[in-house]
Amino acid sequence: GQNIDQPTEMTATEGAIVQINCTYQTSGFNGLFWYQQHAGEAPTFLSYNVLDGLEEKGRFSSFLSRSKGYSYLLLKELQMKDSASYLCASGGDYKLSFGAGTTVTVRA
Amino acid sequence: DSGVTQTPKHLITATGQRVTLRCSPRSGDLSVYWYQQSLDQGLQFLIQYYNGEERAKGNILERFSAQQFPDLHSELNLSSLELGDSALYFCASSVAGTGGSYGYTFGSGTRLTVV
Repeated sequence: GQNIDQPTEMTATEGAIVQINCTYQTSGFNGLFWYQQHAGEAPTFLSYNVLDGLEEKGRFSSFLSRSKGYSYLLLKELQMKDSASYLCASGGDYKLSFGAGTTVTVRA
Repeated sequence: DSGVTQTPKHLITATGQRVTLRCSPRSGDLSVYWYQQSLDQGLQFLIQYYNGEERAKGNILERFSAQQFPDLHSELNLSSLELGDSALYFCASSVAGTGGSYGYTFGSGTRLTVV
């Protein structure tokens, strides 16, 4: 089965850095994904990690430790438009299983 | 436009009724996934089809059913609707069974309101 945990809410100031942690337990694990979702809209793909380590994509970076069942998404130089829900998802058993999402609020 | 098309965008219906949600995957994608997202809840996996065959099933109610047609579009049928079925229903597609390094591409969703 799949069990994914991430914090419910985080607040940060414009220009700051925020780190969203995610722990997972997934059978047949084959990758860890992060998605961004604005309220009422479709999730959009942000990043993918299948090997341990850090993947950097512009202002967003994602880290994976398979032995610890742990990942984080790092958002740098926060902008107001980054206010959204961030979903951690683990791949396994022919599907992506999503966490409940972390709502990030960016304040001026 | 993500390339995944869902219709209708909004649907309002009464309890006890039956509705059909439609999804056309991105060109070249063989897998279709259906997810339910209730207010303040995460995405709950319902069912996956790969090239016309059911591949994985999640917490899908017996009142719900789905199929994928030869042209790869998929339909999710919801019957005997209850107030609690009100939610956003997303369809996603991918080339392979688990999305590979690009994950899934989501459609814009169908917002179902049961009154």
